[in-house]
Amino acid sequence: GENVEQHPSTLSVQEGDSAVIKCTYSDSASNYFPWYKQELGKRPQLIIDIRSNVGEKKDQRIAVTLNKTAKHFSLHITETQPEDSAVYFCAATNFGNEKLTFGTGTRLTIIP
Amino acid sequence: DTEVTQTPKHLVMGMTNKKSLKCEQHMGHRAMYWYKQKAKKPPELMFVYSYEKLSINESVPSRFSPECPNSSLLNLHLHALQPEDSALYLCASSQDRRYEQFFGPGTRLTVL
Repeated sequence: GENVEQHPSTLSVQEGDSAVIKCTYSDSASNYFPWYKQELGKRPQLIIDIRSNVGEKKDQRIAVTLNKTAKHFSLHITETQPEDSAVYFCAATNFGNEKLTFGTGTRLTIIP
Repeated sequence: DTEVTQTPKHLVMGMTNKKSLKCEQHMGHRAMYWYKQKAKKPPELMFVYSYEKLSINESVPSRFSPECPNSSLLNLHLHALQPEDSALYLCASSQDRRYEQFFGPGTRLTVL
């Protein structure tokens, strides 16, 4: 089955700086890679996703890049703000098998 | 209605009790999911319903019994749970298995 590794497990960034979280996956058949943000006591919230036919996707301050050859994908947050503080989970799936495999999570703290 | 809702928000039960968790969505989604999330861990898939049929059971103990009465509703029946079953139980839905999953707010379950 799929295995997703995520690094780092914790990340502290000065407000206004950029944050990068990296994930690798094992199953070359995986074709969909979402990122979820989970604030304390709240639901995981989909913030951005990318499909395997695309190398990069941006949405305002958030971007995701995908390298299919190396089987890794990354989340980039620019101009970080205190409200970006949360746990971020990457995930991977092959839509044919319905199961979303999550990474272990990154606790991002934005220092004011 | 563009959200997944879950009831109750919190549930405390003894090991001999029978209780049920409820999940509802009115987005016309045809795939629904149950996840279990322990503190500081990613969501862990339990069950997947696709077009009201159980398509994945991740070897979940029989004390957890899912039910999908219709395309908008998903239940999780609980019986004879153990203290280690205490966790956040998350429901999610997607248009079908080829699309992004959206999570409900979860039910915080405590088993005494």
